[in-house]
Amino acid sequence: GAGVSQSPRYKVTKRGQDVALRCDPISGHVSLYWYRQALGQGPEFLTYFNYEAQQDKSGLPNDRFSAERPEGSISTLTIQRTEQRDSAMYRCASSRGAGPNSNTGELFFGEGSRLTVL
Amino acid sequence: SQQGEEDPQALSIQEGENATMNCSYKTSINNLQWYRQNSGRGLVHLILIRSNEREKHSGRLRVTLDTSKKSSSLLITASRAADTASYFCATARSYNTDKLIFGTGTRLQVFP
Repeated sequence: GAGVSQSPRYKVTKRGQDVALRCDPISGHVSLYWYRQALGQGPEFLTYFNYEAQQDKSGLPNDRFSAERPEGSISTLTIQRTEQRDSAMYRCASSRGAGPNSNTGELFFGEGSRLTVL
Repeated sequence: SQQGEEDPQALSIQEGENATMNCSYKTSINNLQWYRQNSGRGLVHLILIRSNEREKHSGRLRVTLDTSKKSSSLLITASRAADTASYFCATARSYNTDKLIFGTGTRLQVFP
């Protein structure tokens, strides 16, 4: 597509439910990132893929969070047994190159998925 | 955790004035990037400066990088009301090429 697409844009769920957030990166982009952003703060790194390989998941808060990118394109971030503290904007980004140190290291962000856990 | 801190946290200026934002970071880097975010929307890449560069220009934007002081500045000249946004610096560390770590941001308000 023309840009990074995320769905759903808004998700309201009850505590304890599982949620899946989807990211469709720009076609042909090698790298895909997930960030979480609290109001008034900068994006917080969660995890990162090169093609289908998860390169770094050190930012995932705990084992309730997982991400996959099985065919090297679309990615899903899953949060199991959601808690109120999981409420945030979840942002996906992609880049042409393999990582921010490549020659094409700038990230292209989607509009985000706002998650509210009641 | 966040690598960088922007200064000031908030800045208010009149149209036509210049706006300067600073970013400090902690570890060695390969490059530093600046992004803009309008009203909670997606971040937009502005400029990338590599560790072996000291200054870079793009239109009304000027970025400097001082690796000895681990700091960068973003200058917006002749600001416009449309420049109102949050500005973030982000660093790619030299010893870990996977992550792009964002700072805390500067909220810029440009009054017409």
